[in-house]
Amino acid sequence: KAGVTQTPRYLIKTRGQQVTLSCSPISGHRSVSWYQQTPGQGLQFLFEYFSETQRNKGNFPGRFSGRQFSNSRSEMNVSTLELGDSALYLCASSPGDRGVDEQYFGPGTRLTVT
Amino acid sequence: AQSVTQPDIHITVSEGASLELRCNYSYGATPYLFWYVQSPGQGLQLLLKYFSGDTLVQGIKGFEAEFKRSQSSFNLRKPSVHWSDAAEYFCAVGAIDSWGKLQFGAGTQVVVTP
Repeated sequence: KAGVTQTPRYLIKTRGQQVTLSCSPISGHRSVSWYQQTPGQGLQFLFEYFSETQRNKGNFPGRFSGRQFSNSRSEMNVSTLELGDSALYLCASSPGDRGVDEQYFGPGTRLTVT
Repeated sequence: AQSVTQPDIHITVSEGASLELRCNYSYGATPYLFWYVQSPGQGLQLLLKYFSGDTLVQGIKGFEAEFKRSQSSFNLRKPSVHWSDAAEYFCAVGAIDSWGKLQFGAGTQVVVTP
């Protein structure tokens, strides 16, 4: 099976702009989770989608949003970018039919905000 | 609330020597525990997981981990490290109602010397 793919791999944006990141899960997986990874805060959970519904969310401002499509592909959007949003954004997929499961991660999207 | 502590930020080990990475968790109910590895610029790869049963868990790349409930620990071990094991290692914990959220430790950077 193909692994989790994320596009684009790298992005450079300016403060105030918005950005959309995409994640395609492993075939058959219906859950997609998003994480932000920074040197200072480590890996932090953003939100999780299952069958097009957000089931869980972390403690991030409303500028961070996401959605999931019927084919389980997911996008996350960050509006009004701030310098502190510079990070590696990782998505992970899992079957999703249990409350906890092993997650398979994509390579990430490196976002730089200038 | 769940929490994960990796006491060692950085470990240096000689090639061929044994490696042990420490992980302590805090969680009231049954924890679901994971170890992931991240190479520079890459996503996270699952090494092993513990859900229940035998407390000694075997994973990929020759790694194993032991769950000790009395010590709230899930330490990762490898008998003989290879230069390719140089990477950052993350311990993570989930719960039966995590719904896509894993709580990660801060990570341990492993350097392998000749």
